[in-house]
Amino acid sequence: KNQVEQSPQSLIILEGKNCTLQCNYTVSPFSNLRWYKQDTGRGPVSLTIMTFSENTKSNGRYTATLDADTKQSSLHITASQLSDSASYICVVNSGVNSNSGYALNFGKGTSLLVTP
Amino acid sequence: SAVISQKPSRDICQRGTSLTIQCQVDSQVTMMFWYRQQPGQSLTLIATANQGSEATYESGFVIDKFPISRPNLTFSTLTVSNMSPEDSSIYLCSAVAPGETQYFGPGTRLLVL
Repeated sequence: KNQVEQSPQSLIILEGKNCTLQCNYTVSPFSNLRWYKQDTGRGPVSLTIMTFSENTKSNGRYTATLDADTKQSSLHITASQLSDSASYICVVNSGVNSNSGYALNFGKGTSLLVTP
Repeated sequence: SAVISQKPSRDICQRGTSLTIQCQVDSQVTMMFWYRQQPGQSLTLIATANQGSEATYESGFVIDKFPISRPNLTFSTLTVSNMSPEDSSIYLCSAVAPGETQYFGPGTRLLVL
């Protein structure tokens, strides 16, 4: 069964500190992995997308890594800001046609709170 | 990029009634989807909205409960029928643009009493 596991479930850090969120998956085959940021009451917004051949991708203070061999990804946030408080969702695309033809597997997300 | 809007943004409904959620994309997209996100859970795909034909439903979701329309490339509706408290959730519209970037709407927060 395709699964995406994220850890920790929730995290509280002080403003200005760094943090790393983890994503382990068992999805196969693998097409790409995406990290989304979901603010409370809003839809998810894409941060990064990585294919099999990419092992790191940056978007400002966000840096995602991917180890396709161990099926692990991480999202590192540098110099956190209060606006980083959100849920961060790892999504793995198997690229395989399900009933929908677009098979995305969502993690439950890590809830991050940045405090002053 | 594509900007997706949804209406209503939130609603409180009585059990047994139905609610139709509208989704509008500001540019032509190849695929549109409807997701449900229950509290503390990940997103679950309900169905793919197909233009001009019946939606393709995922396991556990049926057309009688969640009728979907997509009359053109940029607009879709999802109806939650005969609602019960278990239908309380966030419903998200999503679209895939050329190049396969997936965008999400802001969601519709539904509470069924």
